[in-house]
Amino acid sequence: DAKTTQPTSMDCAEGRAANLPCNHSTISGNEYVYWYRQIHSQGPQYIIHGLKNNETNEMASLIITEDRKSSTLILPHATLRDTAVYYCIVRVKPSMDSNYQLIWGAGTKLIIKP
Amino acid sequence: NAGVTQTPKFRILKIGQSMTLQCAQDMNHNYMYWYRQDPGMGLKLIYYSVGAGITDKGEVPNGYNVSRSTTEDFPLRLELAAPSQTSVYFCASSYWGQGNEKLFFGSGTQLSVL
Repeated sequence: DAKTTQPTSMDCAEGRAANLPCNHSTISGNEYVYWYRQIHSQGPQYIIHGLKNNETNEMASLIITEDRKSSTLILPHATLRDTAVYYCIVRVKPSMDSNYQLIWGAGTKLIIKP
Repeated sequence: NAGVTQTPKFRILKIGQSMTLQCAQDMNHNYMYWYRQDPGMGLKLIYYSVGAGITDKGEVPNGYNVSRSTTEDFPLRLELAAPSQTSVYFCASSYWGQGNEKLFFGSGTQLSVL
């Protein structure tokens, strides 16, 4: 089961910042948070990931709360091409003798409106 | 670099037929993965491989088999196709280490079992 909770859908005006929330209240200390997006049934695309500190790259910023129980992905200036399903994922280790895996939820459908 | 290449893009199978979905990557990644995605859902991990000759089950391995004879290739085999295997299949690869894994995905295979 997914270890994250996201809103099913969100709207954002073109040119504004899109803020996508994610709850991961059961996250463990060594589990990373990843964000991917999927544009219209294409293969998912990596956006950003983090452990404790806030992160920024050319695509987005990731803000992680101090208790690590939630995070927010920020697209600073949303464009129509940012319309996609955004997945917040926690990297987990299902058992002692298994490798780390990414457990995917249903994601947030972000619609950017002109 | 071509990245991750999947073939075929579309396939229709009859119940009980067998087929192999092909996946190849040219990024010298050690990890490779097979996911399936049902409509409106996130990705479910079928199998993954941490290197040539090493494979392991994911969340939903039943009805599938994999092999990894080379670093580049990671085929997925369906032996007795069932309607429940109708889905979009994504192959991915990554260089694994120190929590900096980024998955690179192929464009997917749309499979229908009738």
